[in-house]
Amino acid sequence: EAGVVQSPRYKIIEKKQPVAFWCNPISGHNTLYWYLQNLGQGPELLIRYENEEAVDDSQLPKDRFSAERLKGVDSTLKIQPAELGDSAVYLCASSEQSQGRRNEQFFGPGTRLTVL
Amino acid sequence: DAKTTQPPSMDCAEGRAANLPCNHSTISGNEYVYWYRQIHSQGPQYIIHGLKNNETNEMASLIITEDRKSSTLILPHATLRDTAVYYCIVRGFDSGTYKYIFGTGTRLKVLA
Repeated sequence: EAGVVQSPRYKIIEKKQPVAFWCNPISGHNTLYWYLQNLGQGPELLIRYENEEAVDDSQLPKDRFSAERLKGVDSTLKIQPAELGDSAVYLCASSEQSQGRRNEQFFGPGTRLTVL
Repeated sequence: DAKTTQPPSMDCAEGRAANLPCNHSTISGNEYVYWYRQIHSQGPQYIIHGLKNNETNEMASLIITEDRKSSTLILPHATLRDTAVYYCIVRGFDSGTYKYIFGTGTRLKVLA
């Protein structure tokens, strides 16, 4: 079974440019997460989707970040315009059942963003 | 804020047991303890979780103290491939949703 797929794996852009990350979760997983991971830190949740609905976006900087999950499957995270401080790894994860006891999250390999 | 406290780094000899401690003194009665690990340039990977009782699976054992304020992840026979950052997480429930709050983790280095 394929895991969580993310693309691109690496992205280098200049500040003020837009950038987008794409995530394809594990088939059948209704819950999708986007995390931000700075160097030497643990992942921090940006947004969580239950199917198509963003149920927790309290940590998403909405002035420049946006996300969508059309049809409740793939998801895109966008930054516009990017700032130097946005350089980080952006992780996507999915889980089968948010209310379940296990709630194991499966993570993709991440997209490493460098803003110059 | 992270609900867990872990030592920043540990070393372990290959073939020996690796015991990774975690403090979670503010854990609530219905909050689970999860452990994930992250190997360089990969996303975190689930290891094990528990509520009150000790748990064991093919990867590790989880020992939770009776008062639930701390736990220990045990890798019984560490290999070089176990070198990674290990995160102890308390799965919280906030505003109707489950949340993982990652700390900075423990960087485990397995030595040959």
